[in-house]
Amino acid sequence: KAGVTQTPRYLIKTRGQQVTLSCSPISGHRSVSWYQQTPGQGLQFLFEYFSETQRNKGNFPGRFSGRQFSNSRSEMNVSTLELGDSALYLCASSPLWGGANEKLFFGSGTQLSVL
Amino acid sequence: AQSVTQPDIHITVSEGASLELRCNYSYGATPYLFWYVQSPGQGLQLLLKYFSGDTLVQGIKGFEAEFKRSQSSFNLRKPSVHWSDAAEYFCAVATGPYGNKLVFGAGTILRVKS
Repeated sequence: KAGVTQTPRYLIKTRGQQVTLSCSPISGHRSVSWYQQTPGQGLQFLFEYFSETQRNKGNFPGRFSGRQFSNSRSEMNVSTLELGDSALYLCASSPLWGGANEKLFFGSGTQLSVL
Repeated sequence: AQSVTQPDIHITVSEGASLELRCNYSYGATPYLFWYVQSPGQGLQLLLKYFSGDTLVQGIKGFEAEFKRSQSSFNLRKPSVHWSDAAEYFCAVATGPYGNKLVFGAGTILRVKS
């Protein structure tokens, strides 16, 4: 079974641009969550989707948004990029209903650099 | 608010020596606790998890962790470290009634010297 796939692996953007990151969960997984990892703030929860519905949202500004498609693939979008958005963005999927006791399977992430 | 503290930013151990990584959490209810490991340039891999029951949980790669409610701790241990264990280790607590919303600690970087 293929793992969680995130594309692209690396991305360079300039301030003010917008960016879309993609995540394909493990086949059959219905819950997808997103995390931002930076050296200063560590790992922070962005949002979580289950069956195309956002169930949880972290404490990020509205410039960060996401969605999930009927095939469970997910995208996140960041508009009006700021230097502080430079980070590794990790996507994770879980197999059943995405409960707190389920194992998360992480992708290798998308490294976003904002210049 | 829920929080996780990993007091050690870096730890260096000799290959073959024992390892203990500390984790303290703050959470009102019975916590769901996790340890994840991250190698450079990679995502996170689950080592083990605690939900209820036996307070000593076994994980992959020879790791174990002990949940101590009285100390709000969930320390990770390994009796004999291998050079391949060098990585960053994250303790996390799951929050909310459902959904995978994890609060992570800052991480501990493990270096293994031969």
